[in-house]
Amino acid sequence: DSGVTQTPKHLITATGQRVTLRCSPRSGDLSVYWYQQSLDQGLQFLIQYYNGEERAKGNILERFSAQQFPDLHSELNLSSLELGDSALYFCASSVGPGPYNEQFFGPGTRLTVL
Amino acid sequence: DQQVKQNSPSLSVQEGRISILNCDYTNSMFDYFLWYKKYPAEGPTFLISISSIKDKNEDGRFTVFLNKSAKHLSLHIVPSQPGDSAVYFCAASERRKLIFGQGTELSVKP
Repeated sequence: DSGVTQTPKHLITATGQRVTLRCSPRSGDLSVYWYQQSLDQGLQFLIQYYNGEERAKGNILERFSAQQFPDLHSELNLSSLELGDSALYFCASSVGPGPYNEQFFGPGTRLTVL
Repeated sequence: DQQVKQNSPSLSVQEGRISILNCDYTNSMFDYFLWYKKYPAEGPTFLISISSIKDKNEDGRFTVFLNKSAKHLSLHIVPSQPGDSAVYFCAASERRKLIFGQGTELSVKP
């Protein structure tokens, strides 16, 4: 158990819909990262927040947005969903802001878009 | 454009033998490299890392080698154990983010 929690574990929805994925980091961690893992693909970095502020951005679509709240939990919002958005979405957390800090991953949310 | 590549999707090794997982990268600006291990239905867990100023880092049964001139990274597991069966991802850091490879599924047979 990494100490990072993600809800829900599974989500099934239809094209065009909007969903919110939630992540609670390990106690004391200030950074939250979001990753997408599609079929046969590696982990694609989406976005990072550090202490409430956006710190780094990866290949995140404009239809996707995220935020980190004062209690440090984070939400990833996915809108106008397409079939290709079906994937595993991982959240990770770390103590510090940089990529040199070990990242602890949650178990992921499996999103299925029908 | 895949900056970090793991060209072998799978690898099968006998228990007790050496497992060698390989990773190639294209960006010479990468300054830190990591290996993560992932079991089914779990998130990845950190295994070992290496700075670009080193060419080897060892932690128990796990050793990572970095060949900067060849832009090549490898993870050696000796001896391999059935519990090592998992998907292994290499990753490289570029400024503020990690770029992951596609993963290699290691199967260690008893």
